[in-house]
Amino acid sequence: EDKVVQSPLSLVVHEGDTVTLNCSYEVTNFRSLLWYKQEKKAPTFLFMLTSSGIEKKSGRLSSILDKKELSSILNITATQTGDSAIYLCAVGGGTSYGKLTFGQGTILTVHP
Amino acid sequence: DVKVTQSSRYLVKRTGEKVFLECVQDMDHENMFWYRQDPGLGLRLIYFSYDVKMKEKGDIPEGYSVSREKKERFSLILESASTNQTSMYLCASSLGTPPEAFFGQGTRLTVV
Repeated sequence: EDKVVQSPLSLVVHEGDTVTLNCSYEVTNFRSLLWYKQEKKAPTFLFMLTSSGIEKKSGRLSSILDKKELSSILNITATQTGDSAIYLCAVGGGTSYGKLTFGQGTILTVHP
Repeated sequence: DVKVTQSSRYLVKRTGEKVFLECVQDMDHENMFWYRQDPGLGLRLIYFSYDVKMKEKGDIPEGYSVSREKKERFSLILESASTNQTSMYLCASSLGTPPEAFFGQGTRLTVV
């Protein structure tokens, strides 16, 4: 069975702190790893990492894929209250093409 | 702009009722998904469909069925609603390549 595990499950920080969120996976036929941010509504796409693109950066957010360790990290520097959300990791692969398996999510709370 | 629309934001149903959750996407995507989201458990895949009339069970299909008669529409059916099906239900669609999934706003279902 495909499995994606995120840690920590929740995190409380103050504005300006740097945070690192973790995602590890066990998926047959790994194709890609995706990060999403979910505020009150629908998850919105942040990054996709593949064998040919193991590092992505957008502003204060960056992510790295470690294919050897079967894991990824999402870094957020200089956090702001607007970064408060659930961060979801998903892995594409498995026995069915197009299937995405999600982790439990990390709830990030940023206090002023 | 990509759009995935779920027919209801909030639903309250009685135990034993047959419940239909509807999802429509306007992006001509091949793949469509139904997930449920519960605190601490993340997004769990119920069913997905990779083509019209084609479906595949996800990780938790028991008590659910699906229908995809047209490419843009994917319905989730709770044959006989039970209280343990109280949850947030999220519909998503993707092209498959790339695997990035776009989500609807979610339906919060309460079964009483």
